[in-house]
Amino acid sequence: KAGVTQTPRYLIKTRGQQVTLSCSPISGHRSVSWYQQTPGQGLQFLFEYFSETQRNKGNFPGRFSGRQFSNSRSEMNVSTLELGDSALYLCASSPAGLGWDEQFFGPGTRLTVL
Amino acid sequence: KNQVEQSPQSLIILEGKNCTLQCNYTVSPFSNLRWYKQDTGRGPVSLTIMTFSENTKSNGRYTATLDADTKQSSLHITASQLSDSASYICVVSANDYKLSFGAGTTVTVRA
Repeated sequence: KAGVTQTPRYLIKTRGQQVTLSCSPISGHRSVSWYQQTPGQGLQFLFEYFSETQRNKGNFPGRFSGRQFSNSRSEMNVSTLELGDSALYLCASSPAGLGWDEQFFGPGTRLTVL
Repeated sequence: KNQVEQSPQSLIILEGKNCTLQCNYTVSPFSNLRWYKQDTGRGPVSLTIMTFSENTKSNGRYTATLDADTKQSSLHITASQLSDSASYICVVSANDYKLSFGAGTTVTVRA
């Protein structure tokens, strides 16, 4: 069974630009969660999608948005990039959601904002 | 506020030695506690998941304990190997499905 895949793996952008990251969950998983990981803050929850609906949301500004498609693939968009958005962005999939299921993480997308 | 605190922040051990990592949490109502291992440049990988009724769970050389009364968990690594060098993250789930993450403990195993 293929694992969680994320594209691209590395990305360099400049301040003010926008970026879209993609996540393909494990086949059959309907929940996809996104996380931001920085050395100083650790893993921080962005949002979770289940059956194309945002079910949970972390404390991030509206510049961070996402969506999920009918095949459970998910995209995350960050608009008007800031230097502080430089981080490793991880997505994780699980069969049904955050609470009871094991989450499987992808390798992450390393975003650098210059 | 739901919080998860891990200690130590980092530690260095010699290959073959044992070590124990700590996780204290204030998440309520508690659903489950997970330990993840994250190698540098990779996504976290689940080591153990424990619910309220479980107080010990093992995964190879990794043994996690949970004391739901004192809201403490530990991860014990036995006979460490160089491949154990990684960050270990404690994650606590509340009944509302929200996860609270610890900052992680960075373990360095030296030959």
